[in-house]
Amino acid sequence: ETGVTQSPTHLIKTRGQQVTLRCSSQSGHNTVSWYQQALGQGPQFIFQYYREEENGRGNFPPRFSGLQFPNYSSELNVNALELDDSALYLCASSRPEDRASGNTIYFGEGSWLTVV
Amino acid sequence: TQLLEQSPQFLSIQEGENLTVYCNSSSVFSSLQWYRQEPGEGPVLLVTVVTGGEVKKLKRLTFQFGDARKDSSLHITAAQPGDTGLYLCAGPSQAGTALIFGKGTTLSVSS
Repeated sequence: ETGVTQSPTHLIKTRGQQVTLRCSSQSGHNTVSWYQQALGQGPQFIFQYYREEENGRGNFPPRFSGLQFPNYSSELNVNALELDDSALYLCASSRPEDRASGNTIYFGEGSWLTVV
Repeated sequence: TQLLEQSPQFLSIQEGENLTVYCNSSSVFSSLQWYRQEPGEGPVLLVTVVTGGEVKKLKRLTFQFGDARKDSSLHITAAQPGDTGLYLCAGPSQAGTALIFGKGTTLSVSS
């Protein structure tokens, strides 16, 4: 139990559709990061939000976008879904001061997205 | 580009055997972490190593950070079926905002 909750846990979408995934961070954690984990691969960094602003972005196209709300919860939006977007999407929360101790972050259980 | 390469990719062993998983990079990392991920769950942090040459022990698991801070290893003694899972190494990006993960080692321990 990491205190990070994600919804939905599983969903199926059709190519070209749009999807919104949601994440509630651990209490007191004001930094939220999103990762994409394809089957058989390690997680890949999509972007990070800190104080409602994007604070870093990985190598993902603009159709991947996000939001962070005043209560630190976050959304990941993906437009124009492609088959290769099928993956486990992980949300992770942390505090900026944890960076010095090695970036202790806590992952949610993820949202499985299947694009058909 | 910072990359972490893990080996082996798959490992299938019998209960009681020992094993070592490796995590290598051509880049220097300020720290490295090891995670374990079970099916249907997110990665769970096992350990963070920060100092070159550091060795940390967590019950039957021994973690080592290379002197040059470019590599790490995870050694499991007397593996048990409960050790089955995906083991991931990760390090912070130079910007400090992202974690860079290796592709993982899938461990299967049978009784």
